[in-house]
Parts: sequence; C-alpha cells; structure tokens
Amino acid sequence: DAGVTQSPTHLIKTRGQHVTLRCSPISGHKSVSWYQQVLGQGPQFIFQYYEKEERGRGNFPDRFSARQFPNYSSELNVNALLLGDSALYLCASSLAPRDNYGYTFGSGTRLTVV
Amino acid sequence: AQKVTQAQTEISVVEKEDVTLDCVYETRDTTYYLFWYKQPPSGELVFLIRRNSFDEQNEISGRYSWNFQKSTSSFNFTITASQVVDSAVYFCALRGAGAGSYQLTFGKGTKLSVIP
Repeated sequence: DAGVTQSPTHLIKTRGQHVTLRCSPISGHKSVSWYQQVLGQGPQFIFQYYEKEERGRGNFPDRFSARQFPNYSSELNVNALLLGDSALYLCASSLAPRDNYGYTFGSGTRLTVV
Repeated sequence: AQKVTQAQTEISVVEKEDVTLDCVYETRDTTYYLFWYKQPPSGELVFLIRRNSFDEQNEISGRYSWNFQKSTSSFNFTITASQVVDSAVYFCALRGAGAGSYQLTFGKGTKLSVIP
C-alpha cells in the first residue's frame, strides 16, 4: 500500500507569490492534517480536515487555507508568501480526526521563499 | 495550553552505548496521549509509540523502551545498544482527549548522532 504522498517534494517561490501543496492520504484514511516545520523546530499544527470539513485550525494567519476533496486528498494554500513561510510542510493522514493509533506522515514538501 | 519540552537539543553517543531521550510535558487534560516519532534525514516522521495517560506501564520493543511517569510528567525514551541507523531527530508529542483536541503538540526534538 502506498503511504502518504505529498507533492511537490521541493519548491522555490518568491515573496508575495502563492503556493499550493498537495497531499494524498493512505487508502481508507479520511482525515488529513497539515503541519509546518521550521528548521530546527518541531512541527506545528496548521489544519485538520475530516470528511471535507475543517475540524481544527492552528495559530496561523488567514493567508493559510486548505481544503479536502471527495477522494480525501487535500491541498494547502498559502497566499502572499513571506520569507518566514520557508519550512517543511508535512501532511499526516489518519482513519479519524483523533485516531489514537497515531498519524502517518508523508515526507513533506520543502518550501523555500526567496 | 499544552507544552512539550525536550531539553536535549543534540546528543552524540558511540555505537553500542545506551542513550535516553528526555521528554517533559504540560497539560490540563486529565486524559491525554503521548507519542514518540523519529525523523530521519528523508524528512518523514516515523511513528514509534503511543501511550495513554491512564496506562503507566512501561513498554519495551526490541532495543527501544519507554518510561512514562505521570507524577513527574515525563515520558522518556531509551535506546539500548545504539546503532548508526538510530541517528535521527526524535520528537515527543502530546495530544489531549477532550472535544476539539485534534492536534499534536510537538517538542523541539532531540538530534541523536550515533558514531561508529
């Protein structure tokens, strides 16, 4: 079975631009979460989606948005990019929003804003 | 608010040594879940263990063991007879069990280097 797949793996954008990151969860998983990991720090929660509805949102500005599609894949959108948005963006999938058996993470998208 | 502290930023050990990674957490929830993840250079977070707050039994899995002490709010991770393949960044994480508790709160991680 394929794990959590994220695309692209690397991305370079200019300040002020917009970016879309994509995530496909493990087959059968209906919940997707997004995390931002700045270099040298632990991942920080951005969003969680379940059955196409937002179930949780972290402390991130409105420039960050996401959505989940009927096939449970998800997109994370970031508008008006800042240098501080440079980070590894991780997607995690789980059976349900509070799956107590852990979340399976993808390898991430490394975003560099110049 | 929830908080996870991993005071050790980096640890270096020689292969075959034992090493313990510390994790201290803060939460107001009476029921919560603790996790350890491993992050190799490839970037993905690899799930290692989950522990419920109401189960203080220590766990051993091969060379890995975890010591959960509710009285000191600690959930430490020990690797016995370390190997070069254990080199990675290790994260401790916490999630509440109350309504709306969907997110994992991570510590800053401990970078472990195992020297051959």
